[in-house]
Amino acid sequence: QSVLTQPPSVSAAPGQKVTISCSGSSSNIGNNYVSWYQQLPGTAPKLLIYENNKRSSEIPDRLSGSKSGTSATLGITGLQTGDEADYYCGTWDSSLSLWVFGGGTKLTVL
Amino acid sequence: EVQLVQSGAEVKKSGESLKISCKGSGYKFINYWIGWVRQMPGKGLEWMGIVSPGDSETRYSPSFQGQVTISVDRSINTAYLQWSSLKASDTAMYYCVRTRYFNSWYEYWGQGTRVTVSS
Repeated sequence: QSVLTQPPSVSAAPGQKVTISCSGSSSNIGNNYVSWYQQLPGTAPKLLIYENNKRSSEIPDRLSGSKSGTSATLGITGLQTGDEADYYCGTWDSSLSLWVFGGGTKLTVL
Repeated sequence: EVQLVQSGAEVKKSGESLKISCKGSGYKFINYWIGWVRQMPGKGLEWMGIVSPGDSETRYSPSFQGQVTISVDRSINTAYLQWSSLKASDTAMYYCVRTRYFNSWYEYWGQGTRVTVSS
């Protein structure tokens, strides 16, 4: 059971928008920066968003991140088939003194 | 160009020891922490621990404390993850990651090292 809770899967049609939620607590998301990672099949994860809402280099502005209280959200607009991947949120947990990842969300572009 | 290059896939038997590596290049190695992340087959990402190449300070997840050892050799810009006695449940992909601070995001990832342990 992950400290951070993500929906196991989300889906949407090409061109549409999708959001992926990441829920935590005051010891992690509530008081630390959130980052988001994309893992395409058979590859290493890749940083998409850091410090809650800053895009990593070469990440298009179709992707966005936000945080409110103890939850964070990754948004992807203009969905493409190439966006099909697993997405993970991550942050530091100050009480546990360790980095925590969400359980991951599989995005399907129908 | 920043790169983290990991050692190749390993196939081992239960009870054997193993040390895998992660070599950093394209940046000042001692200025960034190196962490390790496990991904078991078909599962999510799990943080194992992290080491500071500057002073070898190491932090472990309680889930992995005592099960693995994380170390670093500054002279060759390489971090290591080692097991003294492998179990079948150690079968997984292992990624090294680079971060500026121990509690910060992971901008760079190694390509992964697949470890297969047979019983």
